[in-house]
Amino acid sequence: GIQVEQSPPDLILQEGANSTLRCNFSDSVNNLQWFHQNPWGQLINLFYIPSGTKQNGRLSATTVATERYSLLYISSSQTTDSGVYFCAVDTENQAGTALIFGKGTTLSVSS
Amino acid sequence: DTGVSQNPRHKITKRGQNVTFRCDPISEHNRLYWYRQTLGQGPEFLTYFQNEAQLEKSRLLSDRFSAERPKGSFSTLEIQRTEQGDSAMYLCASGGGSYEQYFGPGTRLTVT
Repeated sequence: GIQVEQSPPDLILQEGANSTLRCNFSDSVNNLQWFHQNPWGQLINLFYIPSGTKQNGRLSATTVATERYSLLYISSSQTTDSGVYFCAVDTENQAGTALIFGKGTTLSVSS
Repeated sequence: DTGVSQNPRHKITKRGQNVTFRCDPISEHNRLYWYRQTLGQGPEFLTYFQNEAQLEKSRLLSDRFSAERPKGSFSTLEIQRTEQGDSAMYLCASGGGSYEQYFGPGTRLTVT
C-alpha cells in the first residue's frame, strides 16, 4: 500500500521562528490533508491540498503531486502551534475511502 | 457548532466487558469513517460507510468489532470482550461533497 513519510519527526522552536514540515508519499493521491492534533487529541483540519498552494494566515501549504511531496510552512510560530502535525492521503484508485496517515511531526514552541 | 460529535469522550472498562461508542457526523455528510489511534502513532483506518452501507473494513477490525450506521445517520462502534490491546483513541470522521474528512474529538478507551 501507499507509504507516507513525514519529516522531521520532532521540531523544537523558539516563538517567532519559521518552520517547514515535509510529507513524502509513494503513489499518486486523490486527497491530501494536513492536520494539527491538539493536546486533547482533536484533529484540526489545516489544509485540503491534493495539489497546488494554499495559505491561511501564518500557515501555508504546497503539494507537488508529480513529485509526490507536500510541504507545510509555519511562519512566526506561537506557543499555541505546539502539537503533532499529520499528513494524510488517500490513493487515486480508492478515492474517498481510507486516509493513510504519516507518523507525524511533533512541534514544540517555547516562549 | 455542527461538527462531528462523539460520545462518550472517555471510557474505562474492565477486560472482557463490551463497550459501544457513538458518532454523530456533520449533517448531510454521506460518508462516515472510524479510525483508531494508539500512543505515538498516526490514526489507522478501521471502517467506512457510505450512507448506511459499510463499504470497507480494515484487517484491524477483528471479529470482536462491529460497526453500524442505521438509516445513514449516526454510527456506533461496538467492541466485544475487550482486551488491554484495545486501549486507544477511537476517532470518527465524516465527509460530504469533496474528499475532505472532518474528525470528531474522539473517544479514549482504557481497558484495565
